[in-house]
Amino acid sequence: NAGVTQTPKFRVLKTGQSMTLLCAQDMNHEYMYWYRQDPGMGLRLIHYSVGEGTTAKGEVPDGYNVSRLKKQNFLLGLESAAPSQTSVYFCASDFRNSGRIGGQFFGPGTRLTVL
Amino acid sequence: DQQVKQNSPSLSVQEGRISILNCDYTNSMFDYFLWYKKYPAEGPTFLISISSIKDKNEDGRFTVFLNKSAKHLSLHIVPSQPGDSAVYFCAASAVVSAGGTSYGKLTFGQGTILTVHP
Repeated sequence: NAGVTQTPKFRVLKTGQSMTLLCAQDMNHEYMYWYRQDPGMGLRLIHYSVGEGTTAKGEVPDGYNVSRLKKQNFLLGLESAAPSQTSVYFCASDFRNSGRIGGQFFGPGTRLTVL
Repeated sequence: DQQVKQNSPSLSVQEGRISILNCDYTNSMFDYFLWYKKYPAEGPTFLISISSIKDKNEDGRFTVFLNKSAKHLSLHIVPSQPGDSAVYFCAASAVVSAGGTSYGKLTFGQGTILTVHP
């Protein structure tokens, strides 16, 4: 099993450009999450999904959109990138909230720089 | 306002000694607490958790202690090994309901960099 994978690993964007980050999991997990991690701060939840076709906002959703067309994939989109979105982005998944007890499974991260 | 805080950005320990990482929280609604370990260029990996109705949970070299009255938890690693050198995040979970669904929201601390010297 590959677990949780993220594409791409690194990306540099110019202000105003758009991009999509892809997260894929092969563990048949219902729940998936997108976090961002900034220096001196913990991981903060951007958006989450409790199943195929459903998404919801987390703590810091502004400037991002998500889609969950297939159970195994969770896409994070930046329509018009801003320097404040420079961060490391992590995707995670778990089986029906089991992550709040046994931990969510995280991908390796995508390092995004917006110039 | 930061509901989960790790006030020590870094900790340095000699191999074989005890490492103690600390975490404070403010929200009484948290009912599970977790510790994650993160190596550079990798995602966080789950280490150990504890329910709010317990005060101690042990897994091999790792023990988590919870003091609910002080809203404080700590992770003890005994004995510490060089391979334990990593960033450690504490996280707290509470069930959040929104739009007809519920999920266990994790709130993370800022992380503590642990360095174990041979």
